[in-house]
Amino acid sequence: ETGVTQSPTHLIKTRGQQVTLRCSSQSGHNTVSWYQQALGQGPQFIFQYYREEENGRGNFPPRFSGLQFPNYSSELNVNALELDDSALYLCASSPPGSTRTDTQYFGPGTRLTVL
Amino acid sequence: AQSVTQLGSHVSVSEGALVLLRCNYSSSVPPYLFWYVQYPNQGLQLLLKYTSAATLVKGINGFEAEFKKSETSFHLTKPSAHMSDAAEYFCAVTSNNNDMRFGAGTRLTVKP
Repeated sequence: ETGVTQSPTHLIKTRGQQVTLRCSSQSGHNTVSWYQQALGQGPQFIFQYYREEENGRGNFPPRFSGLQFPNYSSELNVNALELDDSALYLCASSPPGSTRTDTQYFGPGTRLTVL
Repeated sequence: AQSVTQLGSHVSVSEGALVLLRCNYSSSVPPYLFWYVQYPNQGLQLLLKYTSAATLVKGINGFEAEFKKSETSFHLTKPSAHMSDAAEYFCAVTSNNNDMRFGAGTRLTVKP
């Protein structure tokens, strides 16, 4: 069984640029959540996608957007990058029928550095 | 809004000693609480979760946590630390909109 994978592993961008991060969910999982983990902090919830629709959003501006595809893989897009966007971005998937008590399976993350 | 506070950003114990990592929560509804571990350059791995069943929850790698409503706590313990337990530990609570709130984390160091 393949776990959650993310690409790329590392990325360097400059202020004002746009970035797309990708996530392949664990086989059979139809819910994907994205988190931002700044250095020395816990992950912060960005948003969740369920069956290709946004299903909850944290306190992030609209320049953070996402997509989920029919195969349940997902993208996180960030426009107009700011220095504070430098962080580890984590993707987590959950199986069908998930409730808030269910286990989320996390990928290894993408380390984004904004210069 | 729900939140968790982890007391102590760094904890250091000797190999074989008791591990105690503290987590206090704030919630206006019955909480569901989690402990995750993060090894360097890796994602988060679930250690255990409390879902309103037994208040003493046993997890992987010998860890356990006890839900104490009167103290709004969910501290993580392990009787005997192993070198491989050195990692970052996160306490988390879920809210109604699938928003999982994490604490700032506690870095555990295990001395030989």
